[in-house]
Amino acid sequence: AQSVTQLDSQVPVFEEAPVELRCNYSSSVSVYLFWYVQYPNQGLQLLLKYLSGSTLVKGINGFEAEFNKSQTSFHLRKPSVHISDTAEYFCAVSNPQGAQKLVFGQGTRLTINP
Amino acid sequence: DAGVIQSPRHEVTEMGQEVTLRCKPISGHDYLFWYRQTMMRGLELLIYFNNNVPIDDSGMPEDRFSAKMPNASFSTLKIQPSEPRDSAVYFCASSRGTVGNTIYFGEGSWLTVV
Repeated sequence: AQSVTQLDSQVPVFEEAPVELRCNYSSSVSVYLFWYVQYPNQGLQLLLKYLSGSTLVKGINGFEAEFNKSQTSFHLRKPSVHISDTAEYFCAVSNPQGAQKLVFGQGTRLTINP
Repeated sequence: DAGVIQSPRHEVTEMGQEVTLRCKPISGHDYLFWYRQTMMRGLELLIYFNNNVPIDDSGMPEDRFSAKMPNASFSTLKIQPSEPRDSAVYFCASSRGTVGNTIYFGEGSWLTVV
């Protein structure tokens, strides 16, 4: 079975500051990893995903994430956040040899203060 | 292109009533997922279909919940009878084929059972 742990339920930061949202996963097999964003009262939207290749993945809206197999982590970063980045962020995992479905973490609420 | 379309967006119903949530996946997608989001349990996969066939319904909480996909462009999630603990946001999502492909989410159906 696979599982995802997002270490911070809430992260407050000031506008234009850098941010890192932490994600660790547990799996006995190789994984695909995803970050989704949920803006208030909306559905989830894919930010980025790691399937293979370079461990540094760039996504939309200036976000990037780094896959670290030894630490079983997939932390999300942005060097300078904007008010519009206020949202909930979900890390998710799937099994490349398994079913086409995602297992999500509990989410991290990112709040940007002016 | 139209995304995943869900209806109703909001529903308030009384305990004991039947609730039917509807979903139109993105055209050409062969996977359809139903997720439930609550504060306590986060995002849970309830059931998913491949080519209109239910593949895994192990996340369906109990017999009061049922889901159907009569054709490639329509699915329903039914709760009968509804209970206050069913109050949640229900997301429908769809994707094309292979593991690792992006899963696209609808905007959700916000259900309140009073």
